Amino acid sequence: TQLLEQSPQFLSIQEGENLTVYCNSSSVFSSLQWYRQEPGEGPVLLVTVVTGGEVKKLKRLTFQFGDARKDSSLHITAAQPGDTGLYLCAGDTGTASKLTFGTGTRLQVTL
Amino acid sequence: GAVVSQHPSRVICKSGTSVKIECRSLDFQATTMFWYRQFPKKSLMLMATSNEGSKATYEQGVEKDKFLINHASLTLSTLTVTSAHPEDSSFYICSARRTGEYYNEQFFGPGTRLTVL
Repeated sequence: TQLLEQSPQFLSIQEGENLTVYCNSSSVFSSLQWYRQEPGEGPVLLVTVVTGGEVKKLKRLTFQFGDARKDSSLHITAAQPGDTGLYLCAGDTGTASKLTFGTGTRLQVTL
Repeated sequence: GAVVSQHPSRVICKSGTSVKIECRSLDFQATTMFWYRQFPKKSLMLMATSNEGSKATYEQGVEKDKFLINHASLTLSTLTVTSAHPEDSSFYICSARRTGEYYNEQFFGPGTRLTVL
């Protein structure tokens, strides 16, 4: 069974702080996707990383794919209350059509 | 990003009745769609993979006679919860896979909150 472990599981910070969420696995993925989900809604795709070592930026969010394509990180700079939500990483091995989802990181940003 | 719709967004039904949930990819064709179930404050649990024109592939522990999946076209998959019981109450989310030249991406619907009384 492939597992994607995310850490931390829960993070409560104040507006303006920086944070990093980690997504780790022993499996190699052909691509990895990050989603944000708000209560009562479906996950929204934030980014897809494909190449080992790749770094992608989306405004204040920086995503990195590990060199060996087994892990990834999401860094948020100057967090805002609108960043609150459940962050999910999901890996695609390329051999099966389904994604392997991470355990999730619940982020709460307060004023 | 691509758009996936889900209907209904919320349904309340009596125990023993069947409920159908629709999932549509609005701006791309999807030969593969997925159905997930999500428990409060938990990650997504894959129930089944819906394949256009063929039978769905169910994950271990998911009753295929209980959760009927039909993928009749490249833009529509349906999940029918048959003879629903209170333990089937949950948040059901579908996704559609968009095939790209170098990698694939999954786009999710907004989810359906099912409450069985």
